[in-house]
Amino acid sequence: AQKITQTQPGMFVQEKEAVTLDCTYDTSDQSYGLFWYKQPSSGEMIFLIYQGSYDEQNATEGRYSLNFQKARKSANLVISASQLGDSAMYFCAMRQFSGTYKYIFGTGTRLKVLA
Amino acid sequence: DSGVTQTPKHLITATGQRVTLRCSPRSGDLSVYWYQQSLDQGLQFLIQYYNGEERAKGNILERFSAQQFPDLHSELNLSSLELGDSALYFCASSATSGGARRELFFGEGSRLTVL
Repeated sequence: AQKITQTQPGMFVQEKEAVTLDCTYDTSDQSYGLFWYKQPSSGEMIFLIYQGSYDEQNATEGRYSLNFQKARKSANLVISASQLGDSAMYFCAMRQFSGTYKYIFGTGTRLKVLA
Repeated sequence: DSGVTQTPKHLITATGQRVTLRCSPRSGDLSVYWYQQSLDQGLQFLIQYYNGEERAKGNILERFSAQQFPDLHSELNLSSLELGDSALYFCASSATSGGARRELFFGEGSRLTVL
């Protein structure tokens, strides 16, 4: 069954340092998409970065990069030069097509950036 | 601003009552997804509509129902409310054509408190 696993319920990182949030996924499909979303304490869901299963290069968006290791079925989010405003909940998600597009989310990782 | 509008933002009601949550997707998006996020939990998929038709069902209780109208807005009806229904309810829409990304654009959510 399709599944997203985020094994880190919470993490701390010092301001200006880099941090990696782990995400592994399980699917038998060849075509899928992987996303990361940020949910600050205000509650909204903010799209950060996308990686397609056929993309050969790792995705990057500003300070965010996605370390995509297809054989290991992992899609870790790397945040460089952490800022206090990065403190939030982060969700990994996978999109698959099965008659319609379906999106499943992991349980999230709560990141706290320390000054 | 994601372009997805949800109302109301906050709702407080009593057990046994019925409420309706409303969602307007981004202009041009035909797909609407509903998710439930209980306190400090991940996002649980409830139901998806595409151009007025139900396309996929997740863990949606029988007490809950939804529909998508010809103008593409969607409503989620929650009845016989219980304390455990207290949650943040998200609506999201996605592009139906153009590009492989098809990320979900989320509304700000409707926070339901059942007392």
